[in-house]
Amino acid sequence: KNEVEQSPQNLTAQEGEFITINCSYSVGISALHWLQQHPGGGIVSLFMLSSGKKKHGRLIATINIQEKHSSLHITASHPRDSAVYICAEDSGGGADGLTFGKGTHLIIQP
Amino acid sequence: DGGITQSPKYLFRKEGQNVTLSCEQNLNHDAMYWYRQDPGQGLRLIYYSQIVNDFQKGDIAEGYSVSREKKESFPLTVTSAQKNPTAFYLCASSIIGYYGYTFGSGTRLTVV
Repeated sequence: KNEVEQSPQNLTAQEGEFITINCSYSVGISALHWLQQHPGGGIVSLFMLSSGKKKHGRLIATINIQEKHSSLHITASHPRDSAVYICAEDSGGGADGLTFGKGTHLIIQP
Repeated sequence: DGGITQSPKYLFRKEGQNVTLSCEQNLNHDAMYWYRQDPGQGLRLIYYSQIVNDFQKGDIAEGYSVSREKKESFPLTVTSAQKNPTAFYLCASSIIGYYGYTFGSGTRLTVV
């Protein structure tokens, strides 16, 4: 079974800082997801990656298949970015669910 | 708009009672999933279903039951056999063969 490890578990930064959250997994995957969970609990999908890099606004996600590692970057961070960011892997081709990391609790202070 | 509806958002039950959580999707997705989240832990798979009238146990199925009588609906029953039912429960769906998942807004169950 795949293991998904995220770091750091908690991160507090000042507004405007560049943020990096890391994710590593133990076996080959079909795709890797980055998700955002706000205090109410609902989850929003940010990125789905199988190779390379994706960018959406101030968010950038990269994946290195050989090293089994992915990173989520936030540029010019803002207090509204405060949330839990979760990495999840799909090794079943969208058929038998995701394996989730424990999440990174990010707080951006004004 | 298409999406997943979970209800209710908050649910309180007395210990020893069975409780059913609702999950409905209008995305025409094949597969549906139930996950459980506890503080400090990642989401863990309870049950999933790839087709109507069929479902498989996930990592933590003990004390739970599901049904999939319609493609749109995948209710989860938390039975009295579940030792620690208080948790956040999340429903999700996907199209088999693709990698995009859609998530519901979750139900927070508290058993007192």
